[in-house]
Amino acid sequence: SAVISQKPSRDICQRGTSLTIQCQVDSQVTMMFWYRQQPGQSLTLIATANQGSEATYESGFVIDKFPISRPNLTFSTLTVSNMSPEDSSIYLCSVDSHPGAIHGYTFGSGTRLTVV
Amino acid sequence: GQQVMQIPQYQHVQEGEDFTTYCNSSTTLSNIQWYKQRPGGHPVFLIQLVKSGEVKKQKRLTFQFGEAKKNSSLHITATQTTDVGTYFCDMEGSSNDYKLSFGAGTTVTVRA
Repeated sequence: SAVISQKPSRDICQRGTSLTIQCQVDSQVTMMFWYRQQPGQSLTLIATANQGSEATYESGFVIDKFPISRPNLTFSTLTVSNMSPEDSSIYLCSVDSHPGAIHGYTFGSGTRLTVV
Repeated sequence: GQQVMQIPQYQHVQEGEDFTTYCNSSTTLSNIQWYKQRPGGHPVFLIQLVKSGEVKKQKRLTFQFGEAKKNSSLHITATQTTDVGTYFCDMEGSSNDYKLSFGAGTTVTVRA
């Protein structure tokens, strides 16, 4: 399965600032997914990022708040903009490295964000 | 839209005992996947079930997909301290929607 390098692993940020999270995959993948996981909660899909097109956002998430880049088939970034304490969460990227086959999604190690 | 219910939310198990966690969907599924997330870690893929009534085993873990493809279970026998973590099901709808719908998770703690 794919190997994902996600960074930073954690950060403490001031409210009103922005943080960009990066995910690098060791193989080419069509779709990359960004999730948020609040403490003790399940995973909530933020958006799906396809190379060469704008990301598709889920209900409750907007591009101005969570801009995403997908410059190539192995890399993506998620920016958390104009942060507030409510944005404190774990953010994870995920890929499906074997679409069409029996597969599972591989997750990055996550970015633990604390906004103060 | 598709709704996923996973129960129980918490499971406190005596070491050596068995337990089961369940996932139920309001709609028919294409497939279901199970993940385990250790405390402080990220979700790790365990298995995928695709066929109606399918049963798969991984050592002490038994995964089952319902006949109607609307529910699934994960049964762990002889629980060990290494089983501690949160187990999530994630369901893919039959409309070929690639989007994952994660259950709320079952957080398992083990007392020695």
